[in-house]
Amino acid sequence: QVQLVESGGGVVQPGRSLRLSCAASGFTFSSYGMHWVRQAPGKGLEWVAVISSDENKKHYGDSVKGRFTISRDNSKNTLYLQMNSLRVEDTAVYYCASYLVDWVSFDYWGQGTLVTVSS
Amino acid sequence: SYELTQPSSVSVSPGQTARITCSGDILGIKSVRWLQQKPGQAPILVIYKDRQRPSGIPERFSGSSSGTTVTLTISGARLEDEADYYCYSAADNNLVFGTGTKVTVL
Repeated sequence: QVQLVESGGGVVQPGRSLRLSCAASGFTFSSYGMHWVRQAPGKGLEWVAVISSDENKKHYGDSVKGRFTISRDNSKNTLYLQMNSLRVEDTAVYYCASYLVDWVSFDYWGQGTLVTVSS
Repeated sequence: SYELTQPSSVSVSPGQTARITCSGDILGIKSVRWLQQKPGQAPILVIYKDRQRPSGIPERFSGSSSGTTVTLTISGARLEDEADYYCYSAADNNLVFGTGTKVTVL
């Protein structure tokens, strides 16, 4: 069955970096575009970034542009989110999600990984 | 950037109708999707393209639009419909979620 498993979350100090991973299985990862979406504790959903299946197109939400980088390794069925210059307000559960055709879609979701930015 | 505004909460009695609105300037030209999220779970899609229902979503969920406001309607609400609901749309390579609505069925 389809699985998306996020990892790499934890506690990090403001200004530091962290890299999240999302391991995919049960579907043809290289055919799917991928999103990162986050949710601060007790708050709503916020879109972070998207990458096309061939990695040619990447787009970012305004709050992370210039600090976060989305990438993927289709040979490893893995999606990444490199997060630099982290801020307290980046504290959230980070979900990865896939889409097949329409980039404004979320076909499958992971269960999320918690990132806490605190001194 | 642009915004999508939802009421923070809606309460409904079991068997009654709940309506959740989503308002934003781009909604006059862009379609909306609705997600349902229950505590501790990832979201699931309940409506796409303003009014289309994915397979497996009960018929009591429906969507409509008028001008720059779209509405998710739950007809004959059930206890299991208690959840947070988010509208979302995209424009200019930017995807935006609504502010979210907590639906309470009691």
